Amino acid sequence: GAGVSQSPSNKVTEKGKDVELRCDPISGHTALYWYRQSLGQGLEFLIYFQGNSAPDKSGLPSDRFSAERTGGSVSTLTIQRTQQEDSAVYLCASSSRAVGQPQHFGDGTRLSIL
Amino acid sequence: GENVEQHPSTLSVQEGDSAVIKCTYSDSASNYFPWYKQELGKRPQLIIDIRSNVGEKKDQRIAVTLNKTAKHFSLHITETQPEDSAVYFCAASLGTGGFKTIFGAGTRLFVKA
Repeated sequence: GAGVSQSPSNKVTEKGKDVELRCDPISGHTALYWYRQSLGQGLEFLIYFQGNSAPDKSGLPSDRFSAERTGGSVSTLTIQRTQQEDSAVYLCASSSRAVGQPQHFGDGTRLSIL
Repeated sequence: GENVEQHPSTLSVQEGDSAVIKCTYSDSASNYFPWYKQELGKRPQLIIDIRSNVGEKKDQRIAVTLNKTAKHFSLHITETQPEDSAVYFCAASLGTGGFKTIFGAGTRLFVKA
């Protein structure tokens, strides 16, 4: 079946603009995660959603970052007033349930802030 | 919160040799430990995982060991091949309560032909 889909694959924007990144998880997966990966670096946890529970937002680096998951499926990560240090690849992953199951990653959105 | 340390950051081996990557974690409640392989420009993909009720798991040339007492786990790749060259990430996840998965910083493995 279809894997995790992210859009856009690349986004170039000017400093100070807002951006929205979209993630479409594997159908039926109840857990959804967002990570940030800077060039040559590891995966920095941002936020995860599990079913109808309140999301764990503990990894969001500032109040400029927010995420929603509508209807338990598609998620949108929004970055307001972008800064150059926000440039990175933003990866989304989903799993069938959060407890002890592997995460399936999308190809990511490469965000470049000019 | 959970913290995962991964070593070494870079590893270079000759084709056919073994490679070992080690990780330690801080939260004794963590009970799921996946390993991901990320090739250049690609998405991370699961290669093997282990749960806290077992000490070792093998899948062909890949094995993972877990020492819960010492809170460390290791990835072993035998008979390495050039296509094993990639970045490998370990991770630790709590099974209950918080489901956050924390990743290690990654190990860049080079397999020289």
